[in-house]
Amino acid sequence: DVKVTQSSRYLVKRTGEKVFLECVQDMDHENMFWYRQDPGLGLRLIYFSYDVKMKEKGDIPEGYSVSREKKERFSLILESASTNQTSMYLCASIKPGRGNTEAFFGQGTRLTVV
Amino acid sequence: AQSVSQHNHHVILSEAASLELGCNYSYGGTVNLFWYVQYPGQHLQLLLKYFSGDPLVKGIKGFEAEFIKSKFSFNLRKPSVQWSDTAEYFCAVTPYTGFQKLVFGTGTRLLVSP
Repeated sequence: DVKVTQSSRYLVKRTGEKVFLECVQDMDHENMFWYRQDPGLGLRLIYFSYDVKMKEKGDIPEGYSVSREKKERFSLILESASTNQTSMYLCASIKPGRGNTEAFFGQGTRLTVV
Repeated sequence: AQSVSQHNHHVILSEAASLELGCNYSYGGTVNLFWYVQYPGQHLQLLLKYFSGDPLVKGIKGFEAEFIKSKFSFNLRKPSVQWSDTAEYFCAVTPYTGFQKLVFGTGTRLLVSP
């Protein structure tokens, strides 16, 4: 069974802290994504990666960075957490290819910044 | 870059009513299209997908969607909804070839009353 695992289900952090969200997939997928999900705004893409050490900015990268040192692991980093980064964070992976493909999602990390 | 519009943000239906959720995308090339569902407290799951062939796609739980290329639309339908269909529904698009950046719409929250 395919699996995308996010390290934490719930996190509470203080303003100004450096926060790491971890995501691991066991499907040998090349492409991985980080989204944040907010009511009424859907899933907004923060960063994505199409290979080890490769990364691209999504639609809302400000205040975030990422790391992909191994194919199976994609980390999202909040350099200095702020209250407006309180959100649900979703990780996804997808196997690129012509046509028939789909993304698999982790269970999400609900981050609260106080 | 591709984008997705979901015009219905909230839909309330009674059981046995028919459902149609709108989805329009913008992209200059060939695309893969998806509908994902998120039940309360659960992670995103694939309902159905289109990548080629018959534009009428059938998915799980009695859902179907029709790809109309001339209208850039991929509307989701179900002839008779159940209380258990209460969830949030997301339309998504990714290019058919090349790097598959997956972009989502803002979602439609469906409430089915018994």
